Amino acid sequence: AQSVAQPEDQVNVAEGNPLTVKCTYSVSGNPYLFWYVQYPNRGLQFLLKYITGDNLVKGSYGFEAEFNKSQTSFHLKKPSALVSDSALYFCAVRDRRQAGTALIFGKGTTLSVSS
Amino acid sequence: DAGITQSPRHKVTETGTPVTLRCHQTENHRYMYWYRQDPGHGLRLIHYSYGVKDTDKGEVSDGYSVSRSKTEDFLLTLESATSSQTSVYFCATAIAEYEQYFGPGTRLTVT
Repeated sequence: AQSVAQPEDQVNVAEGNPLTVKCTYSVSGNPYLFWYVQYPNRGLQFLLKYITGDNLVKGSYGFEAEFNKSQTSFHLKKPSALVSDSALYFCAVRDRRQAGTALIFGKGTTLSVSS
Repeated sequence: DAGITQSPRHKVTETGTPVTLRCHQTENHRYMYWYRQDPGHGLRLIHYSYGVKDTDKGEVSDGYSVSRSKTEDFLLTLESATSSQTSVYFCATAIAEYEQYFGPGTRLTVT
């Protein structure tokens, strides 16, 4: 069965410090990988995706993620955190073998950036 | 949220009553999805559609039905609402590959 794990319920960082939000997955084959962000009382916003090619993917708002096939991980990173980055972050995967199949989400990680 | 609206945005209903949530998109995307979001569970798929009149069940489909008579509309019906269906419901759309786009959500409370 396909699954996504976000091992940390909450990540706390100080503004200006680098941040990492972890994600590991269990999917057969080579999946598509995604990160979404959710601000309070809002829908999910797409941040970035890995489809193929370069293992380091750059996305919106200065975020990036590194795909590591051997460790089946797709950690979200940002070199310098902002207070406005505080939100709920979801990692998701999709089986690339079938078009239009639904995303499988992790349980989410709350990022709190202190000033 | 661009191009995807959900109605109503908030609803309180009583146990045993039917409830219909509507998702409307202006993007002409082929695929549409209904998820529910609950603390500690992330988002879980209820039903999805891969075209007009073509739908399939997701992970948590019991007690829910869907219909899609037009490309732009995807309806989710709770046939007889229960307290366990209190949740935030999100609609999403996709062209085919890659990312999905999410609506603003509907907060449903079943008393």
